[in-house]
Amino acid sequence: SQELEQSPQSLIVQEGKNLTINCTSSKTLYGLYWYKQKYGEGLIFLMMLQKGGEEKSHEKITAKLDEKKQQSSLHITASQPSHAGIYLCGADNTGNQFYFGTGTSLTVIP
Amino acid sequence: EPEVTQTPSHQVTQMGQEVILRCVPISNHLYFYWYRQILGQKVEFLVSFYNNEISEKSEIFDDQFSVERPDGSNFTLKIRSTKLEDSAMYFCASTKAGRYNEQFFGPGTRLTVL
Repeated sequence: SQELEQSPQSLIVQEGKNLTINCTSSKTLYGLYWYKQKYGEGLIFLMMLQKGGEEKSHEKITAKLDEKKQQSSLHITASQPSHAGIYLCGADNTGNQFYFGTGTSLTVIP
Repeated sequence: EPEVTQTPSHQVTQMGQEVILRCVPISNHLYFYWYRQILGQKVEFLVSFYNNEISEKSEIFDDQFSVERPDGSNFTLKIRSTKLEDSAMYFCASTKAGRYNEQFFGPGTRLTVL
């Protein structure tokens, strides 16, 4: 099975600070997805990366998949309270089951 | 904006009872999924469904679980005889095309088994 380890487990940052969340896979990634979960709610799709070295941005969030396709990072620039939540990476292991990472809880202090 | 809906938002049941969790995926989506999240743990894949049949299922999805698309809009998850360890948040998701591409998730049903 696919294991996705995220670090850090939790993060508390001051508003305006930059931060990075990492996701490391036990296997080569076929597709890597980032989701955000607000406490007690469903998951919201952020972005999908498929090619090694690929980088995507949406507003102040940038995600990158490394060349070997076993690690991804999510970077938030100038964090805001609206960025608070749980960030989950997910992987589609050769099109079979879908696996989620362990999650990173982000708190942004105004 | 279209969204995935789930009912009920919270279901309390006695151990051994059958429960049916309901989902209405986005209308033009073709792939449907169920996930569960036990409190404090990872979101876990249960099953994917396409073209009126199960595409993939995880080890969790044993004979106690079944899924159905009874009409053109609903997608249900049935647990035949609930156990205490079935207590979790259950999420439904759907995608328009391509497995696992941009899954749209519902808000979840919290199942509590007493």
